[in-house]
Amino acid sequence: DAKTTQPPSMDCAEGRAANLPCNHSTISGNEYVYWYRQIHSQGPQYIIHGLKNNETNEMASLIITEDRKSSTLILPHATLRDTAVYYCIVRVTGQTGANNLFFGTGTRLTVIP
Amino acid sequence: DTAVSQTPKYLVTQMGNDKSIKCEQNLGHDTMYWYKQDSKKFLKIMFSYNNKELIINETVPNRFSPKSPDKAHLNLHINSLELGDSAVYFCASTPTSGGTDTQYFGPGTRLTVL
Repeated sequence: DAKTTQPPSMDCAEGRAANLPCNHSTISGNEYVYWYRQIHSQGPQYIIHGLKNNETNEMASLIITEDRKSSTLILPHATLRDTAVYYCIVRVTGQTGANNLFFGTGTRLTVIP
Repeated sequence: DTAVSQTPKYLVTQMGNDKSIKCEQNLGHDTMYWYKQDSKKFLKIMFSYNNKELIINETVPNRFSPKSPDKAHLNLHINSLELGDSAVYFCASTPTSGGTDTQYFGPGTRLTVL
């Protein structure tokens, strides 16, 4: 699986959009980009994933550059409950046994009142 | 109702002891996982089971023995506990072993070896 690079920490004002970047310059054509987050002392929580197109769900939006070498997770209106470590993960899918996730160091997002 | 549950939530024990952590999922998923999160917060896959069969073992010492009595349960037994085994252990599940399945994680078990 490709390696990802994320800033170690970011701050965001409550109510503003939080934009979390991720670099994955060695991503392969069949690797998806996944985002999970881990709120303190809890298990990781799935947020969103995508391959090439931008994706949006009730939690966030995922913007993937055209060359797929980087992506941005957008939390449109950050709340205090969004304070967490956010992990960007790329992985191959469609292969039996390849569903394991490799977590990096992530970005610690702190939402400030 | 909790989708993925783990027991116990906290486990404190002495070096050399044998202990087990239990995991159950009520999602009807076929595949379950164990992850270890160490003191530096790195989260690493340990094992993956699909329909009670081991499909991934990420070079974990053989003191760790997962057991899956049925596809809803994946327990982790650890023999001869060492100080370095202290960590938070997370169980997870997915509908299948491939594809773009979302992983659902349990709340974690914090193991402290003294």
